[in-house]
Amino acid sequence: DVKVTQSSRYLVKRTGEKVFLECVQDMDHENMFWYRQDPGLGLRLIYFSYDVKMKEKGDIPEGYSVSREKKERFSLILESASTNQTSMYLCASSPRDGFNEKLFFGSGTQLSVL
Amino acid sequence: LAKTTQPISMDSYEGQEVNITCSHNNIATNDYITWYQQFPSQGPRFIIQGYKTKVTNEVASLFIPADRKSSTLSLPRVSLSDTAVYYCLVGPKAGGFKTIFGAGTRLFVKA
Repeated sequence: DVKVTQSSRYLVKRTGEKVFLECVQDMDHENMFWYRQDPGLGLRLIYFSYDVKMKEKGDIPEGYSVSREKKERFSLILESASTNQTSMYLCASSPRDGFNEKLFFGSGTQLSVL
Repeated sequence: LAKTTQPISMDSYEGQEVNITCSHNNIATNDYITWYQQFPSQGPRFIIQGYKTKVTNEVASLFIPADRKSSTLSLPRVSLSDTAVYYCLVGPKAGGFKTIFGAGTRLFVKA
């Protein structure tokens, strides 16, 4: 069965901490995505990557960075966590042909920044 | 990129057919229509995708009129476990990396 695995289900961090969210997919997909989901706002795209070492900004990249050193792993980094980054973070992957090939999502990481 | 409009919420009873309509007036020629389902505390899951007319799979049907300015997701005989948020997306198959997830439609199925 195909899988997108996010390293933590729940995470609590303090303001100013550097936070790493890890995502691994086992489907050999080229494309990987990071979204955040807040009540009433749907999913908003933070960053995506269509190849190793490639990254593109999504709609809300401010305060975030990403790393894709290996095809199967896509990391989201909060350089200095702030309370307004408290959210559910969802990682997804899709094959090369594009976004609208079927997206596979992980179960999400609920991050609380205190 | 095409914007979509869906009802915020819908209620239904077990055993009924549910139709959720999505408006996408500025859909482009090469755009596809894709629906996802999201249960609480899980990531969204792909349900169905189509370009025109009707598509059916084991989960749902998707109806797309000739002008493609709207689409309807049809869930036959819903059960309590179909309670979820349903997202309609419109974007090209190739590329389209910034296709937008809207707020979705929250479907609540009652016994």
